[in-house]
This record gives sequence, structure tokens and C-alpha cells, in this order.
Amino acid sequence: QQQVKQSPQSLIVQKGGISIINCAYENTAFDYFPWYQQFPGKGPALLIAIRPDVSEKKEGRFTISFNKSAKQFSLHIMDSQPGDSATYFCAAGGTYKYIFGTGTRLKVLA
Amino acid sequence: DAGITQSPRHKVTETGTPVTLRCHQTENHRYMYWYRQDPGHGLRLIHYSYGVKDTDKGEVSDGYSVSRSKTEDFLLTLESATSSQTSVYFCAISEDTGSSLHFGNGTRLTVT
Repeated sequence: QQQVKQSPQSLIVQKGGISIINCAYENTAFDYFPWYQQFPGKGPALLIAIRPDVSEKKEGRFTISFNKSAKQFSLHIMDSQPGDSATYFCAAGGTYKYIFGTGTRLKVLA
Repeated sequence: DAGITQSPRHKVTETGTPVTLRCHQTENHRYMYWYRQDPGHGLRLIHYSYGVKDTDKGEVSDGYSVSRSKTEDFLLTLESATSSQTSVYFCAISEDTGSSLHFGNGTRLTVT
């Protein structure tokens, strides 16, 4: 009930390509779905977040797609750049707590 | 980094010794969290606090205790460190429930 399943574990994309990371959750009480970006030696930083009352949110090159009935959400990175190479975590949040996915290591080739 | 300072940044300790990690925030946020990050496990919640002296357990709380005597400080104590507690520990804060977390830069703890 508390798991968030994230895939793929790692991803290699050519510069300019689209990176797609998927997450699935189980607990329908979750009402906040953020994505975090983490560079080596740093803490995760909020990238973009969505609430279940909308199906898509876009901020620059980053888009979250949300499917409430399937309990799935995904991060799309358009025009991927080498600077996007990092580890990405999805999360599902409710009162007080967040459950994180296991992370996706993205490498964008120049 | 949203005014969050974790100390120490690195620590090596021996099995069986007590260890205290400190998180200090300057944002006056009510909620504070301790997570550990391990390969293949993502971030797992150890303990959290929803106010001064108000704390609760997360999913991996065994072997850990916390204290929050002031809004700005949240301490994590490993009562008797074990090798399985070798990890990177992150403190996070949030202004309200259901709002985003802001993380510190972590403490890398090695238990030998």
C-alpha cells in the first residue's frame, strides 16, 4: 500500500532526445506527486510537482503526466541536455509523509 | 539549499558507538524529516517532526531516535551504531503537510 515503483533504474539518452521515467503508486490517499533531481554529493532538489486534480503539468522542458485511474505518473524531459544527467526520484505524498521511488540514473550523451 | 545545514558532512565511527547527526534550518518551517539513502532503496523515512517536541516514526526507525527541542534543530541519534546503518542521511523540511520537501546536502556516515 505504501510503495512507489519507479522505472527504469537507469536510462541513457542522446542529446536532444526525450527522457521518460515512470512511477506507479498504490495508496489512493496520496495527493501530491513531486519529482526530485539529485546531483552527486548534493541533496535532492524539487524539480516539478503535480496534484491529482490535473492530468499534466509542464514547466519548461519538464512535463509530468498523471493518470489517476491507473495510479501512474511520469516525467518527460524534452530536448534532453548533458546537464540533465542526474538521478531522478519520484515521490508520492500525503499528510506528513512522502514515499520515494528507488531512483533513475539518467545519462545524456553529448 | 533552503537554509538547511547538516553536520557533520562526513563521519566514520565504530560499531557500538553512539552517533548524533544535526540538522539546522533557518526557514522556520514546522515540519522536519530524517531520511536515509541507500542504493536500490531510494530515500526512506526514519523519523519526522511536526513541531517542537512532536515526533513520530517513519518506515525504518529501529535503532534511531530523534529530538527536537527548538524549531530550528532536529537531531538524529544512532544509539549503538551498526554496519547496516552505513548510509547517507538527509534532513528535509517542509512548510506544511502536502507541500514540497527541501533537502540538506546530507551526511555520509560509515560504521566500521
